[in-house]
Amino acid sequence: DARVTQTPRHKVTEMGQEVTMRCQPILGHNTVFWYRQTMMQGLELLAYFRNRAPLDDSGMPKDRFSAEMPDATLATLKIQPSEPRDSAVYFCASGLGGNTNYGYTFGSGTRLTVV
Amino acid sequence: GQNIDQPTEMTATEGAIVQINCTYQTSGFNGLFWYQQHAGEAPTFLSYNVLDGLEEKGRFSSFLSRSKGYSYLLLKELQMKDSASYLCAVREATPLVFGKGTRLSVIA
Repeated sequence: DARVTQTPRHKVTEMGQEVTMRCQPILGHNTVFWYRQTMMQGLELLAYFRNRAPLDDSGMPKDRFSAEMPDATLATLKIQPSEPRDSAVYFCASGLGGNTNYGYTFGSGTRLTVV
Repeated sequence: GQNIDQPTEMTATEGAIVQINCTYQTSGFNGLFWYQQHAGEAPTFLSYNVLDGLEEKGRFSSFLSRSKGYSYLLLKELQMKDSASYLCAVREATPLVFGKGTRLSVIA
């Protein structure tokens, strides 16, 4: 069963610390997304990549967030410095381009708590 | 802009039928998706509509009217395991834009 793998599953950190979240997309998927989920806002798109190139990161606070794909098997999302308002579940999803009829596959998420 | 609306919560009885509505106003349209999300888990794909009409998949069906900006998810023969959040999402270009989800509680 192909799956998107995210690490860590849970992270508790102090305000001001750097946080790095990792995602291994499904092999062969060329499009990778980062979403953030909170009770108030629901699922919000932060950034996405196609063939490792960033296509849109307008949903990300640029001063503290950065997203990269060092290679086709790894996507990273960094927050530096972290703030309590960053507490949320961060999901990575992957898929094949923009015209598939089966949507995208989500990882299990990283639950981030910033205290 | 983007606006996707769905009810916040619904309750239904085991064995019954429930319809979850979704209305959307988006600048583009390239498909409407429904996802199921159990508490503490990842969203999982349920259905996809790009043309008007009804798509049926087992106990779940999804309907789309593009002219009305309207979709619904129909769940039949409800089971306790169907208690979850149901997310409506529109694909404008590539990324999905999600509604805030409808939390469905199935009671005995």
